[in-house]
Amino acid sequence: AQSVTQLDSHVSVSEGTPVLLRCNYSSSYSPSLFWYVQHPNKGLQLLLKYTSAATLVKGINGFEAEFKKSETSFHLTKPSAHMSDAAEYFCVVSENGQNFVFGPGTRLSVLP
Amino acid sequence: DTAVSQTPKYLVTQMGNDKSIKCEQNLGHDTMYWYKQDSKKFLKIMFSYNNKELIINETVPNRFSPKSPDKAHLNLHINSLELGDSAVYFCASSPDGAEETQYFGPGTRLLVL
Repeated sequence: AQSVTQLDSHVSVSEGTPVLLRCNYSSSYSPSLFWYVQHPNKGLQLLLKYTSAATLVKGINGFEAEFKKSETSFHLTKPSAHMSDAAEYFCVVSENGQNFVFGPGTRLSVLP
Repeated sequence: DTAVSQTPKYLVTQMGNDKSIKCEQNLGHDTMYWYKQDSKKFLKIMFSYNNKELIINETVPNRFSPKSPDKAHLNLHINSLELGDSAVYFCASSPDGAEETQYFGPGTRLLVL
């Protein structure tokens, strides 16, 4: 069975400093992994996805994530936070393309 | 052009009522989903349909009944609404395949009084 753990429910950073949002997963097979972002009162938008190609994945808005199979991790990073990055971030795992399991989410706050 | 649309955007209703939420996608995708997001932002899949056939039916009360008249539509009907049904409901769609991205609708905010 698939599962996703996001270790931090809330992360707070200052504008211009790096962002690290942690995600660990459990999967019986080679999974696909995704990061979605949800801005307040909005729907979910795909940031990036890993699908068994390059382990370092670049997404939109300067975000990237690295798939580490030995650590079963898929942490999301950004070199320099912007105020507009404040949102809820969800790590997602899928084994078969029909069942997507969401992590509990990490709320990112960006301080001026 | 909206890719995945949901109506209504907001729904406020009394306990015991029956209501429906509609979802349509114009992406030509084969698979559609309903998710429930609770007050703590936790997202949980409720149903998944592939070409009008039910694929996933998680542990959801049978008061919830999805209906897919064609592969571009997946509607959610809820009977005898309860306070605990208050949540944001998201529809999503994706092409087939394990690597495929889901595209989400804007959500329907349901409040049961």
